[in-house]
Amino acid sequence: QVHLVQSGAEVRKPGSSVKVSCKTPGDTFRNYAINWVRQAPGQGLEWMGGIIPIFGPPNYAQQFQGRVTITADESTSTVYMELSSLRSEDTAVYFCARDSSIYGLYYFDSWGQGTQVTVSS
Amino acid sequence: DIQMTQSPSSLSASVGDRVTITCQASQDISNHLNWYQQKPGRAPKVLIYDASNLETGVPSRFSGSGSGTDFSLTINTLQPEDIATYYCQQYDNLPQYTFGQGTKLDIK
Repeated sequence: QVHLVQSGAEVRKPGSSVKVSCKTPGDTFRNYAINWVRQAPGQGLEWMGGIIPIFGPPNYAQQFQGRVTITADESTSTVYMELSSLRSEDTAVYFCARDSSIYGLYYFDSWGQGTQVTVSS
Repeated sequence: DIQMTQSPSSLSASVGDRVTITCQASQDISNHLNWYQQKPGRAPKVLIYDASNLETGVPSRFSGSGSGTDFSLTINTLQPEDIATYYCQQYDNLPQYTFGQGTKLDIK
């Protein structure tokens, strides 16, 4: 497994934004796609979007269109996910996960440790 | 959108049992299906990709089958460490991915 390292827990107020980072090894950044998946408390997995950093642009799940932005910083091999207009239902653990879609393999073979985002007034 | 429905939502089984979890797609997805295992407080881990291919390092008691709309994950000789929630994931309408709602497995 490849080591994806995510930023720490965040607490935000409703209506604000949060930006979560996922630092990848350099070869992963150059040769793989990075996805974002979230999991609300006691709930299942929900794909939010993904990016192939060297190609771009990102793709987003329809339910997050207009609220999520995924970007990549080549200088630090880091992928970011920003979610805006936060509401309480966005309280969840957010994971980044790698796939090898460039090579025709469409599954998530390495994951970050997860970032807890809590939205509360 | 393609919907994925897993059954059952939860089940209890004894160590040594053979366990089968099913996943049904709302339309034909060929073999574009993966299975993941998630233990509490941990990130998911891929078990099976392309419906029936065992990921490197995953015990051979796990197997996957199916194509089209109906898929299954089987655990032969259930072990205590297999207690987890299992998810299917489709990738037929790329770049979108969709997960099933999960099946929680515990020991009877």
